[in-house]
Amino acid sequence: NAGVTQTPKFRVLKTGQSMTLLCAQDMNHEYMYWYRQDPGMGLRLIHYSVGEGTTAKGEVPDGYNVSRLKKQNFLLGLESAAPSQTSVYFCASSLRSTQYFGPGTRLTVT
Amino acid sequence: QQQVKQSPQSLIVQKGGISIINCAYENTAFDYFPWYQQFPGKGPALLIAIRPDVSEKKEGRFTISFNKSAKQFSLHIMDSQPGDSATYFCAAGMKTSYDKVIFGPGTSLSVIP
Repeated sequence: NAGVTQTPKFRVLKTGQSMTLLCAQDMNHEYMYWYRQDPGMGLRLIHYSVGEGTTAKGEVPDGYNVSRLKKQNFLLGLESAAPSQTSVYFCASSLRSTQYFGPGTRLTVT
Repeated sequence: QQQVKQSPQSLIVQKGGISIINCAYENTAFDYFPWYQQFPGKGPALLIAIRPDVSEKKEGRFTISFNKSAKQFSLHIMDSQPGDSATYFCAAGMKTSYDKVIFGPGTSLSVIP
């Protein structure tokens, strides 16, 4: 039982490049979330999903897109990376109130 | 209305001392108040949570105190240990809307020997 896993762990992008972050969970959770964590800002919700095939915008969705084609996977895409997107990205899943977080992806955009 | 305030931003406590972190919320619809603990290089993990129908919840050395009228809650870590050194996030959410969880900005706790 791996819980929530994220791929990759680290990535460096140049401004304007695109990439996809992959989140997978093996707990059969309906809800999945993408957060970004910046110093002094806590965890800010980017997008979330309440079930397979559904997505919704969170607090800071601009510049990101998501897809949930399978219940166990939640993908976060950056179409044209900007330095302001340098951050640590966390995926989480939940069955009810408790969220279970992945180990994070550290993304640097130069 | 959706913001969760947290203080202090950082905290240094001697081993054996009491660590206290305070949080405040504005939205009275919140009915679920978890605390998450995050070690460096790891994702946050649920530490303890409380519902507004109780004023205090204790799990081992960790206690949440809740003041509904003041819309404040706090985490107390008794007999703080170096292994407690981590970042702590308070959060507020609604039990019926699992997507509506708002996190505080975090408190970096260092427990020194």
